[in-house]
Amino acid sequence: NAGVMQNPRHLVRRRGQEARLRCSPMKGHSHVYWYRQLPEEGLKFMVYLQKENIIDESGMPKERFSAEFPKEGPSILRIQQVVRGDSAAYFCASRPSSTDTQYFGPGTRLTVL
Amino acid sequence: DQQVKQNSPSLSVQEGRISILNCDYTNSMFDYFLWYKKYPAEGPTFLISISSIKDKNEDGRFTVFLNKSAKHLSLHIVPSQPGDSAVYFCAASGKQGAQKLVFGQGTRLTINP
Repeated sequence: NAGVMQNPRHLVRRRGQEARLRCSPMKGHSHVYWYRQLPEEGLKFMVYLQKENIIDESGMPKERFSAEFPKEGPSILRIQQVVRGDSAAYFCASRPSSTDTQYFGPGTRLTVL
Repeated sequence: DQQVKQNSPSLSVQEGRISILNCDYTNSMFDYFLWYKKYPAEGPTFLISISSIKDKNEDGRFTVFLNKSAKHLSLHIVPSQPGDSAVYFCAASGKQGAQKLVFGQGTRLTINP
């Protein structure tokens, strides 16, 4: 049973470009979470999605950030017009409905030049 | 507002001895607590969890203790091994809703031979 998959593992963008981060949850997991880790800090919640629905986006910046989890395919975290402050590690986690334990992917490290 | 705090940024322990990592929380609505281990450039790996209805949970070398009145939990690793050297994050989630995780800042554990 493959774990949570994220791609790309590393992403470099120039200021003003768009970044798309993908997450494929573990098989059988219908709950997906995105977290961001800034240097020397803990992980911070961004958004919680189930298939085709955003359940909680209280941790998402109001502008430029969006997330989706379509019926088919991976969950996508999209950052438009990136700025240097968006440079961070972005982690996706998933869980099944039967447990509260979240399992994390390897992360995408975004660098904005 | 740091709802989950790990006050020790680092801890050094001799191989074979016990490692004790501590975590404090302020939100009485938290009812599920987890410990994750993280290596550089990787995602957090789930170690062990505990529900608020328990005060102890054990899994092999890892034991988590929960003191609800003090809003404090700790992770004991015994005996400590060199492969345990990593950053350890404490996380908590609430009774209902999104079960989003609130993380501490992490403690870097170094096991010395």
